[in-house]
Amino acid sequence: GQQVMQIPQYQHVQEGEDFTTYCNSSTTLSNIQWYKQRPGGHPVFLIQLVKSGEVKKQKRLTFQFGEAKKNSSLHITATQTTDVGTYFCSRNNNDMRFGAGTRLTVKP
Amino acid sequence: DAGVIQSPRHEVTEMGQEVTLRCKPISGHDYLFWYRQTMMRGLELLIYFNNNVPIDDSGMPEDRFSAKMPNASFSTLKIQPSEPRDSAVYFCASSTTGDTEAFFGQGTRLTVV
Repeated sequence: GQQVMQIPQYQHVQEGEDFTTYCNSSTTLSNIQWYKQRPGGHPVFLIQLVKSGEVKKQKRLTFQFGEAKKNSSLHITATQTTDVGTYFCSRNNNDMRFGAGTRLTVKP
Repeated sequence: DAGVIQSPRHEVTEMGQEVTLRCKPISGHDYLFWYRQTMMRGLELLIYFNNNVPIDDSGMPEDRFSAKMPNASFSTLKIQPSEPRDSAVYFCASSTTGDTEAFFGQGTRLTVV
């Protein structure tokens, strides 16, 4: 099945800096989900985007779904050490396939 | 609900041995997914079930891998015979429908020596 491409693969930031990860698909997505996996943990659902151009916020996290529903982004404002982990996007046509993930490290 | 339950949490086995991983999905969830996670290949979908029926097993790497879901509350992933390259973390996840939030188990860390 078609997977989504995620960039960057790694991102290292200083605490307080912003962070963005991008998810791209060659085909139109019905929806997209974002998950976070802490080191040694399991993926945990963050949010689902369904509508074209949709923007959702969770505290310092902002999620966007592109107008063409082929790309999405997750932006974290003023990163904290608790944001460390790997962020995955997932496209779901009942089969829930994940991008490669972006591993975020934060230097205190 | 206790969430998705996987067992064992850790498994170390010798090459050539049979390995069986177990998963109990959240009650009422109709979809069950098996994933394998490695540094090199990321989070790969191996197989998924809908209402206990395997829908897509195209991600199963070889005939050595098999998965079953005999009822709505139990699924197994079997590797026979196991090889060192099967070493990975295996996750089971469940969801109410195929395109809603998936809940993951804690995973089984498999090491084949």
